[in-house]
Amino acid sequence: DAKTTQPNSMESNEEEPVHLPCNHSTISGTDYIHWYRQLPSQGPEYVIHGLTSNVNNRMASLAIAEDRKSSTLILHRATLRDAAVYYCIPSNNAGNMLTFGGGTRLMVKP
Amino acid sequence: DAGVIQSPRHEVTEMGQEVTLRCKPISGHNSLFWYRQTMMRGLELLIYFNNNVPIDDSGMPEDRFSAKMPNASFSTLKIQPSEPRDSAVYFCASSLQGSAYEQYFGPGTRLTVT
Repeated sequence: DAKTTQPNSMESNEEEPVHLPCNHSTISGTDYIHWYRQLPSQGPEYVIHGLTSNVNNRMASLAIAEDRKSSTLILHRATLRDAAVYYCIPSNNAGNMLTFGGGTRLMVKP
Repeated sequence: DAGVIQSPRHEVTEMGQEVTLRCKPISGHNSLFWYRQTMMRGLELLIYFNNNVPIDDSGMPEDRFSAKMPNASFSTLKIQPSEPRDSAVYFCASSLQGSAYEQYFGPGTRLTVT
């Protein structure tokens, strides 16, 4: 599995954009990059995934570096409900197994 | 769709007792996963099934743990005998097979072994 490096925690102000970085320098050429988040006392929740191109959905945007060794999850306007642990996960080629690391704890201030 | 359903939501048991956790995946999903989450170890994959067949159980901690998936709509994770160090939140997730598909997690079962 590709190893990932994420900051342990980040802070943001409500209504401001948030950029959550992830380094995955050992990612293989066919691994997807998944982002999940876990709100307090809940199971993880899918946010977004991509392979090479930048991706957008209703929750967030995913910017993938050209060399695929890093990616950034972008929340365009953080809300208090976005306070969660965000996990960056390159997928396993053997299937769709996900290996969760420590993630980034995002705190959103009103 | 009701999402992934897990039962019970909370379980408190004494050391040595058998514990059975249950999961109903989302209808139509053919992959099912069992995870365990603790403060010390984070979120760990225990086992996963494709089309009801166990594919990778390398995360199962020891022989006291066993998982079954008798049909596409039901899976169990059993711990026998349970120990205090098994205390954790156990999550079940389901998805369509393939690395491009997202996993949907259940609400989890909080297990406390005293």
